[in-house]
Amino acid sequence: IAGITQAPTSQILAAGRRMTLRCTQDMRHNAMYWYRQDLGLGLRLIHYSNTAGTTGKGEVPDGYSVSRANTDDFPLTLASAVPSQTSVYFCASSEDRGQPQHFGDGTRLSIL
Amino acid sequence: AQSVTQLGSHVSVSEGALVLLRCNYSSSVPPYLFWYVQYPNQGLQLLLKYTTGATLVKGINGFEAEFKKSETSFHLTKPSAHMSDAAEYFCAVSDGSSNTGKLIFGQGTTLQVKP
Repeated sequence: IAGITQAPTSQILAAGRRMTLRCTQDMRHNAMYWYRQDLGLGLRLIHYSNTAGTTGKGEVPDGYSVSRANTDDFPLTLASAVPSQTSVYFCASSEDRGQPQHFGDGTRLSIL
Repeated sequence: AQSVTQLGSHVSVSEGALVLLRCNYSSSVPPYLFWYVQYPNQGLQLLLKYTTGATLVKGINGFEAEFKKSETSFHLTKPSAHMSDAAEYFCAVSDGSSNTGKLIFGQGTTLQVKP
């Protein structure tokens, strides 16, 4: 079934550790996004990529980095995790900017 | 800057009753508007979208929404609630002319359906 695959589904991580959240889509969508979801705050955009080879900062980019080496993959890296990065992270993709976005099932990350 | 306000973080209805979830937006350019539903421990699923054209849009699972420019609203409705409609609902706006195409989400409304 076509869609977005995120890994891991959940992770507990010690503060200061490096972590990469993986995201792969098989729909050949141009645009990809990373959001974090926190209670009472809805979803907030961390980083985005309109096409392979380009990335941009969203609303809350600090402490996170992304890369887009090809169309299908859009990993999110926490270089040195802090407790405030405890959240549920969603990857999404769309055919083009402004089009409806398709979401993965999320990664639940806890930083201790 | 764009923003989305969902009125009511929690809405409770009886099974068979009308569902009305309110969404107001702020945008300096013609908006693209979306409603998403999120079931527990799952990602967001698109219910419906408005980009251009007809202002009354129909989505999946019997939901519909009407774009009212004069009221800057995009309220979600369903004539008769089912137990399976219990979930969290998010309204979102996208600036189709921007470079990011990002979505700005409201804070979400949890819909409870009572038997």
